[in-house]
Amino acid sequence: AQSVAQPEDQVNVAEGNPLTVKCTYSVSGNPYLFWYVQYPNRGLQFLLKYITGDNLVKGSYGFEAEFNKSQTSFHLKKPSALVSDSALYFCAPGTGGFKTIFGAGTRLFVKA
Amino acid sequence: GAGVSQSPRYKVAKRGQDVALRCDPISGHVSLFWYQQALGQGPEFLTYFQNEAQLDKSGLPSDRFFAERPEGSVSTLKIQRTQQEDSAVYLCASSLGTGYGYEQYFGPGTRLTVT
Repeated sequence: AQSVAQPEDQVNVAEGNPLTVKCTYSVSGNPYLFWYVQYPNRGLQFLLKYITGDNLVKGSYGFEAEFNKSQTSFHLKKPSALVSDSALYFCAPGTGGFKTIFGAGTRLFVKA
Repeated sequence: GAGVSQSPRYKVAKRGQDVALRCDPISGHVSLFWYQQALGQGPEFLTYFQNEAQLDKSGLPSDRFFAERPEGSVSTLKIQRTQQEDSAVYLCASSLGTGYGYEQYFGPGTRLTVT
């Protein structure tokens, strides 16, 4: 069965510190991996994706994610967190068909 | 350019009523997706259109749910005889291409409350 796991419901980090939001997945074939962010009262927005190539992908707002095939992980990272990064983050692997599966989400709180 | 729009933004329906939710995708986007998002959960896939063709409807929870995209642009999700468990936010998304490597652009959602 194809699945995605975001093991942390919530991540708390101080402004200026690095942040990591974890994601592991189980899909058949070559994975296509996405991160989306949902700000309060706003729609889901695309952050970044891994299709092929370099394992470290860079996206919007200074975010990056590292693809690790052996660990089937695609953790989201940012070197220095901002208060404005506080939002709900979703990891979303493509399943090889038309369906994208979304994790349950990780709420990020960045404290000033 | 304009993003994905959805209407209405909020809908309250009495149990047993039929509802229709509209999605206007980004112009030129071939692919269109509908999702259901329950409170505190990630979006759950409902159905997928490539132009006017509905290629995957495996996520529709029952035969009360029906979606169409007759001209390959605007799409409507219809729910017949609404039940309380249908209360959720319904998200529409579109993407430029047909492969699953394309990112999706989401609308603001329609919050459906069934009383």
